[in-house]
Amino acid sequence: DTAVSQTPKYLVTQMGNDKSIKCEQNLGHDTMYWYKQDSKKFLKIMFSYNNKELIINETVPNRFSPKSPDKAHLNLHINSLELGDSAVYFCASSHNRDPSLNSPLHFGNGTRLTVT
Amino acid sequence: GENVEQHPSTLSVQEGDSAVIKCTYSDSASNYFPWYKQELGKRPQLIIDIRSNVGEKKDQRIAVTLNKTAKHFSLHITETQPEDSAVYFCAARRTGTASKLTFGTGTRLQVTL
Repeated sequence: DTAVSQTPKYLVTQMGNDKSIKCEQNLGHDTMYWYKQDSKKFLKIMFSYNNKELIINETVPNRFSPKSPDKAHLNLHINSLELGDSAVYFCASSHNRDPSLNSPLHFGNGTRLTVT
Repeated sequence: GENVEQHPSTLSVQEGDSAVIKCTYSDSASNYFPWYKQELGKRPQLIIDIRSNVGEKKDQRIAVTLNKTAKHFSLHITETQPEDSAVYFCAARRTGTASKLTFGTGTRLQVTL
């Protein structure tokens, strides 16, 4: 029973297309995140939502738009995909907005996006 | 913002030997330091974490040490096994309105037989 699940697992698409990645957590956590892991394995935060409210928005192109319909879901929509968007995108959640010993980060299994 | 540096980027050890991965952070207000293990093709998973009011923490074969003055922390794995082979990430977090984990650049550990 996966705690943080994201779909799809693989996504191959052409430049210029629009695509979405969905994430759901069944841990009852208040805070959810999107991280991007590039080909060099660097893990960088993109967005964070706490109870459906955007609390972290890193310097991400506005082609990326997160949406949180409720605190258990955080989806990522990407417009006009570019080659440089190819990466693994990880959804994560934590009990509250302050990652800590009592509120560690739990990652989903990742979505490997390939833009051709 | 916080900057976390991690060394080495790759590490190869023989089975049974110890492995040490080191990280430094820039923000003296950071107070939580987790370590994540990412096996090939899988998600990062928390293996151990430490608060800034603790200097060392152990969990079986893994331990983390923290030097607040020098702003560095290390992961120690003893009696390494092939299943320890993975990419390890350190991270640091500063409490705040929008606290976030900043990850190091990762260390690829290879345990050879």
